[in-house]
Amino acid sequence: KQEVTQIPAALSVPEGENLVLNCSFTDSAIYNLQWFRQDPGKGLTSLLLIQSSQREQTSGRLNASLDKSSGRSTLYIAASQPGDSATYLCAVRPEGAQKLVFGQGTRLTINP
Amino acid sequence: NAGVTQTPKFQVLKTGQSMTLQCAQDMNHNSMYWYRQDPGMGLRLIYYSASEGTTDKGEVPNGYNVSRLNKREFSLRLESAAPSQTSVYFCASRPKRGASVYEQYFGPGTRLTVT
Repeated sequence: KQEVTQIPAALSVPEGENLVLNCSFTDSAIYNLQWFRQDPGKGLTSLLLIQSSQREQTSGRLNASLDKSSGRSTLYIAASQPGDSATYLCAVRPEGAQKLVFGQGTRLTINP
Repeated sequence: NAGVTQTPKFQVLKTGQSMTLQCAQDMNHNSMYWYRQDPGMGLRLIYYSASEGTTDKGEVPNGYNVSRLNKREFSLRLESAAPSQTSVYFCASRPKRGASVYEQYFGPGTRLTVT
């Protein structure tokens, strides 16, 4: 059974720092991996999608990498801003499955 | 494009009451999903519909029923609500493979409390 883990559960850093969020998954047989952002009391906003054949994706200050064989992904946020404060979720779509399997998220706080 | 919409946004039910959560998408997506989000549990799949006219159970289907009314709409019904169904419910849809940037698109959620 695929399991997704995100560590740490919470992270607090000063504004302007570069930071890395981690996601690991137990089964490397995946179609893709997606990173989401969730603001308090809100829905999920898609950030980046990495297909299983890709190594990384970039969008603005965000860069996501995927190492399928080791079951790891990282989300790199450059020059963090208070507006980046949110919970970040990663999810994988296992091969042969319709659903996404989610991690429990990392709650990120950027302090001005 | 409104994307994925859900109604209602908030709902309070008493134990044993029934209700239907509505979801609609205007992106012509084939697949639709219902998830629930609970503290410490992440998002878990309740039911999904791979295409109009088909539905399948996810991880936590007990106590729920679904209807894929047409390609746009996918509803979730609680026949006899229980306090354990207090949660935030998200609907999502997915385009055909390769047809879009993202894997799944999510609605804003319905916050349900069962007392």
